[in-house]
Amino acid sequence: DAKTTQPPSMDCAEGRAANLPCNHSTISGNEYVYWYRQIHSQGPQYIIHGLKNNETNEMASLIITEDRKSSTLILPHATLRDTAVYYCIVRRTGTASKLTFGTGTRLQVTL
Amino acid sequence: DAGVIQSPRHEVTEMGQEVTLRCKPISGHDYLFWYRQTMMRGLELLIYFNNNVPIDDSGMPEDRFSAKMPNASFSTLKIQPSEPRDSAVYFCASLLGQGFDDEQFFGPGTRLTVL
Repeated sequence: DAKTTQPPSMDCAEGRAANLPCNHSTISGNEYVYWYRQIHSQGPQYIIHGLKNNETNEMASLIITEDRKSSTLILPHATLRDTAVYYCIVRRTGTASKLTFGTGTRLQVTL
Repeated sequence: DAGVIQSPRHEVTEMGQEVTLRCKPISGHDYLFWYRQTMMRGLELLIYFNNNVPIDDSGMPEDRFSAKMPNASFSTLKIQPSEPRDSAVYFCASLLGQGFDDEQFFGPGTRLTVL
């Protein structure tokens, strides 16, 4: 699976949009981009994933560049409860492909 | 569904003792994963099962670790003998396995402390 690069930490004011970047320049055509987050002392939680089109769900939006070498996770209106470590993971299509977690981005949402 | 259930939530034991961690996956899920998380190594996959059969155990650190899945609703991760460096949070996750891009659902974890 392709390697990902994320900034180690980011801050965001509550109510503002949080934009978390991820570089995956070696991604191949059959690899999805997944985002998970881990709130302190909890298990990782799935957020969203995409292949090449932008995706949106009730939690977030995922913007993937046209060349697929980078992506941005957008939390449109961050709240204090969104404070967590966010992991960008590239994963091959197909069931049970392993999730390889990097160090992620620690997002701190502040008042 | 109650989600992935792990027990115990916390375990404190002494070096040399046997430790057994338990996991109940989401009903109907075909895949089960065991992960370990430490400050030094982050979140790493230990082993995963498909239809109760171990598929990839390349992440299991050494022979002191073993995992079983006797049926679709139960799995164990055993450490014998335990060592202080095994102290970590152990997560279990399950996946439906019916599509090409299924998501993994994680349990709350077991925090293991080996003294």
